[in-house]
Amino acid sequence: DGGITQSPKYLFRKEGQNVTLSCEQNLNHDAMYWYRQDPGQGLRLIYYSQIVNDFQKGDIAEGYSVSREKKESFPLTVTSAQKNPTAFYLCASSLQGSEAFFGQGTRLTVV
Amino acid sequence: QKEVEQNSGPLSVPEGAIASLNCTYSDRVSQSFFWYRQYSGKSPELIMSIYSNGDKEDGRFTAQLNKASQYVSLLIRDSQPSDSATYLCAVNQRGGATNKLIFGTGTLLAVQP
Repeated sequence: DGGITQSPKYLFRKEGQNVTLSCEQNLNHDAMYWYRQDPGQGLRLIYYSQIVNDFQKGDIAEGYSVSREKKESFPLTVTSAQKNPTAFYLCASSLQGSEAFFGQGTRLTVV
Repeated sequence: QKEVEQNSGPLSVPEGAIASLNCTYSDRVSQSFFWYRQYSGKSPELIMSIYSNGDKEDGRFTAQLNKASQYVSLLIRDSQPSDSATYLCAVNQRGGATNKLIFGTGTLLAVQP
């Protein structure tokens, strides 16, 4: 099936620990995005990538890092520098300038 | 000024009525506009995309775009309780070689049976 897959669905992080969220797509989309959503809030852009080996910071990039070594994959690392990481993380992909499609999301909780 | 603004609601309409959702954006060079629906705890799903001024209809949904006023809206006719969700407006901003997809905070729609 074509689509965009995020894993895991739920993730628990201890204080001071780095964790990596996976995002894979087989839609042959050039652009990929990471968003963070807090309860009752909209989507805030963390990082985005238009092509392989290139990515740009969004509005809330501090405490996060990404890589884009393959067109299909855009993993997000939540580092210990992110002081309030508990949130719903959404990955999306699109053709340039076109509508984006989302994965099912990863719910990250700090324990 | 926020890049994409929506009234957070809740917008309450009776079943069968028309729901009207509005969105304004700040970047005049934006080219692509999208409406997404998000149920609680789920990821957003695309409802409509619109790229040129005017109206675009798809079933019970009509998207309206006015680039001069930097305004995009979504009308839902014959609203159903199953339409109760948060509706997110998204704008694709072009800056040089990059495309950046920005979302509003969403409007919560409640359709009363």
